[in-house]
Amino acid sequence: EAQVTQNPRYLITVTGKKLTVTCSQNMNHEYMSWYRQDPGLGLRQIYYSMNVEVTDKGDVPEGYKVSRKEKRNFPLILESPSPNQTSLYFCASKRGQNYNEQFFGPGTRLTVL
Amino acid sequence: GIQVEQSPPDLILQEGANSTLRCNFSDSVNNLQWFHQNPWGQLINLFYIPSGTKQNGRLSATTVATERYSLLYISSSQTTDSGVYFCAVEVDDMRFGAGTRLTVKP
Repeated sequence: EAQVTQNPRYLITVTGKKLTVTCSQNMNHEYMSWYRQDPGLGLRQIYYSMNVEVTDKGDVPEGYKVSRKEKRNFPLILESPSPNQTSLYFCASKRGQNYNEQFFGPGTRLTVL
Repeated sequence: GIQVEQSPPDLILQEGANSTLRCNFSDSVNNLQWFHQNPWGQLINLFYIPSGTKQNGRLSATTVATERYSLLYISSSQTTDSGVYFCAVEVDDMRFGAGTRLTVKP
């Protein structure tokens, strides 16, 4: 089944403790991205990647890192999480940068205490 | 940047009723998608519809790109249709509207 998977689905952590949210897709998509969703602010893009070893900042990249060493994986790294990073995070992928349907993972609910 | 406006912001229906959700956007776009976010938070792809009309069961969508709007039609609504419906457009990156929160009552 074609899908985007994320792990963990739920995470409660404390300020400053490094964490990684994994994202994987099995559709051989070139383009992957991360979004966060917050009440009243909607979905905002954090980072995106057009291909392996190519990443770029979205609208709200501060406090996040990403890497794209393999085509299928695009982990989101929070080096020193803070409470304002408490949010619902989505990974997404699509075939190429333009003119393609984007598919979303199931979401990761992160709480930073 | 491009503006995406959805209306209405909230909609309450009785089961069996029909509804139309609207998405207006401020500039020409390459892509347009409709999503349903269910009560568990998952984003479900409904339609990839940069132009034209598509139908999938009780749902259909129409995008008139030249007039910069898209419509999502839900017929014979069911309680499982409840949730938030998002329109998202893409030029250089994907921009989401604020959503329409639909509640279908039994």
